[in-house]
Amino acid sequence: AQSVTQLDSQVPVFEEAPVELRCNYSSSVSVYLFWYVQYPNQGLQLLLKYLSGSTLVKGINGFEAEFNKSQTSFHLRKPSVHISDTAEYFCAVSARIIQGAQKLVFGQGTRLTINP
Amino acid sequence: EAGVVQSPRYKIIEKKQPVAFWCNPISGHNTLYWYLQNLGQGPELLIRYENEEAVDDSQLPKDRFSAERLKGVDSTLKIQPAELGDSAVYLCASRSGPSSYNEQFFGPGTRLTVL
Repeated sequence: AQSVTQLDSQVPVFEEAPVELRCNYSSSVSVYLFWYVQYPNQGLQLLLKYLSGSTLVKGINGFEAEFNKSQTSFHLRKPSVHISDTAEYFCAVSARIIQGAQKLVFGQGTRLTINP
Repeated sequence: EAGVVQSPRYKIIEKKQPVAFWCNPISGHNTLYWYLQNLGQGPELLIRYENEEAVDDSQLPKDRFSAERLKGVDSTLKIQPAELGDSAVYLCASRSGPSSYNEQFFGPGTRLTVL
């Protein structure tokens, strides 16, 4: 089974400052890793995903994340945030299997608040 | 391309009443999910469909929850009777391909309030 821990429930940041949202996972098998964003009263939208290859993954809206297998982490970063980045961010993991689909297991979420 | 459609967006009912949520996935998406999202938490899977077959319903409280996906397209999730603890957002998602790495697309959710 897989589990995800997002280490910060809330992260306040000033506009144009850098931000890092932390995510650690636990799994007995290899995994795929995802970051989703949820704006108020909306569904989740995929920011980026790590499947294989380069451990640095770039996503939409200027976000990127780095997969660290030894530390079982997948932290999300953005060098300069904007007011519009205010949202809830979810890290998720899925078991890596050849055929079929495994469920996504989500973390508890990190609420990112951008202050002017 | 239209996204995942859910209705209603909001529902307020009294405890012990029945309630139903409807989901229309993205056209051509064979995999459909229902998730429960409690306040301040990440989504938790309730049930997954591959076409019309429920292939993972281990987290669905079957004493009061039921779901169906007739003809492998639209899906309905029902609660009968509703309890206070069922107040949450119910999310529907559909997947663009057969594997775990394919993206799931989420609807806006139905926010249920049980009084």
